[in-house]
Order: sequence, then structure tokens, then C-alpha cells
Amino acid sequence: GENVEQHPSTLSVQEGDSAVIKCTYSDSASNYFPWYKQELGKRPQLIIDIRSNVGEKKDQRIAVTLNKTAKHFSLHITETQPEDSAVYFCAASKRTGANNLFFGTGTRLTVIP
Amino acid sequence: DTAVSQTPKYLVTQMGNDKSIKCEQNLGHDTMYWYKQDSKKFLKIMFSYNNKELIINETVPNRFSPKSPDKAHLNLHINSLELGDSAVYFCASAGVNTEAFFGQGTRLTVV
Repeated sequence: GENVEQHPSTLSVQEGDSAVIKCTYSDSASNYFPWYKQELGKRPQLIIDIRSNVGEKKDQRIAVTLNKTAKHFSLHITETQPEDSAVYFCAASKRTGANNLFFGTGTRLTVIP
Repeated sequence: DTAVSQTPKYLVTQMGNDKSIKCEQNLGHDTMYWYKQDSKKFLKIMFSYNNKELIINETVPNRFSPKSPDKAHLNLHINSLELGDSAVYFCASAGVNTEAFFGQGTRLTVV
């Protein structure tokens, strides 16, 4: 099956700085890459996703980049705010109807006011 | 209306007991999942059901059995509970071209 690696496991940034989380995947057939945010005691929720026919996608302060050749994708958060503090998960899927999402190990982001 | 709902939210039980966690989705999705999140926050897929057929079953002990009475429900039954089964269990559902939606989680504590 798919193997998704995620780094770093913890990340602390000052409010207003940028944060970058990186993931690699093993299965070249994967073509859908979502990012989930999980606040303490809550469910994971989708914040942004990207499909393999796109190299970059942006939504306000959040952007995701994808390099299919190298099989890695990254989450970029600019102008971080304390409410961005959470655990972030990347995931990969083949999207062939089965929608099997394989998650990275998570990154605990702390934004220091 | 909650899109994916699971019950109970908390479950405390003794070793050796059998328990079930229920999950229902009202999104009309074809695929439902069970994930286990351990104390280190790792999210590991356990089962995936597509149109009531099991399509993947990762290395999960056979004490765990998913049961899907219909497309909107995927329940998780656990036999002979062990201390290591303590975790948060998340149900999720997804359509062919939609994101995966998660339930609120069930925190299982085995004592």
C-alpha cells in the first residue's frame, strides 16, 4: 500500500511567521493529496487539497505545492495566527472510487503569540 | 444535521469485554472508513467499505470486525478487548470525488 512520510513532527513559529510542512509518498499512482487540520479533541477537517494535474493551489493564507516527479507535496501557511495551532495531517489517495486515504504521521504546529 | 455521526463519544470498558461503536452518514457517500488514532496521534486506516463490500483491511486483529447493514452505516465491533485497543476511533465517509468527512471520534479506554 501507500506510505506517506511527514516532517517535521513538531513545529513552533512566532505569530506572523510562515510555517511549512512537507510530505512524501511512495505510490506513483496516487493523484489526490488533501491536508487535514485537527484541533485538540476535535475531528480532522479538510483545509485544502490538490490533484495531480495541478502543481500549486492557494486559499488565502494557505497554499499547497505538489511535485509529482519527486513524489512530494508541501503545505505553506503564511502570516500564522494562534488559531492555526493544531495537528496537521497530509494524505495521499489514488482516487479510483475506493478513496483510500493514507495519512502522514502528523505535525503539531504551535504558533507563539 | 451532522454529516457523519458516531456513538458513543466515550467508552470505558474492562479487558475481555466485547463492544460496538456505531457510525452513520447522511451524505449519500459510497465509501465509509474506520481509522484508529493512537496516543501519538497517528491516524491509521483499519477498514474501508464501498457499497457494503470490504475493500481493504489493513493489518488489524480479527477481533475487530466491521459490519455494514446498509450504505449509510458502518459499525465497528470489537471482541475480547485488550489494553492496547485504547485509542480514539474515527469513522469517515467519502464520495467518488469528494473529501473525506470524519465523525467526532469515539475515545475507547480499556481498563
